[in-house]
Amino acid sequence: DAGVIQSPRHEVTEMGQEVTLRCKPISGHDYLFWYRQTMMRGLELLIYFNNNVPIDDSGMPEDRFSAKMPNASFSTLKIQPSEPRDSAVYFCASRRSDSYEQYFGPGTRLTVT
Amino acid sequence: ELKVEQNPLFLSMQEGKNYTIYCNYSTTSDRLYWYRQDPGKSLESLFVLLSNGAVKQEGRLMASLDTKARLSTLHITAAVHDLSATYFCAVDIGGAQKLVFGQGTRLTINP
Repeated sequence: DAGVIQSPRHEVTEMGQEVTLRCKPISGHDYLFWYRQTMMRGLELLIYFNNNVPIDDSGMPEDRFSAKMPNASFSTLKIQPSEPRDSAVYFCASRRSDSYEQYFGPGTRLTVT
Repeated sequence: ELKVEQNPLFLSMQEGKNYTIYCNYSTTSDRLYWYRQDPGKSLESLFVLLSNGAVKQEGRLMASLDTKARLSTLHITAAVHDLSATYFCAVDIGGAQKLVFGQGTRLTINP
């Protein structure tokens, strides 16, 4: 059984460029979460979806960040335009509605120069 | 605003010793999670504690939850090198599915 899949695993881009991070949750999981991890701020929840609908995006830092979930097996997190302070590891996680346990993907390490 | 604080943040210990990591949180919650993260890796779920007095054990790790004290502990028994990692606790804000993480405890176990 495949776990949460994220791509790319590493992304290096220049300031001002658009960045798109992708996530495929575990099949059958109806909650999807996007987190960001930095040394300064630790692990932060950015946004989460239930049945493809965004429920809480209060953690999204600013309008440069947007997230979508067009179907149950795919989500994107987009940063446009990117800035050096966006450099972090971005994790996607998913869980079933009848379980409290969240399963994390391998993460995408984003570096903005 | 919910705050989750872990203590200590860094812990270096010898194999064979016992130690405890503490996780305090600032608001009511009945659900607490412990995760492990190895350097450069993702988070691995260790325990989900769902009620006051809950205790779970897996190998040399045991976690407990006291919701009245807003405190969870992760106890390590007879530590071995393989347990070296960063351990995070996280609290679920009252059914909102939002996990708020502690700062993490970096555990180093020396032979």
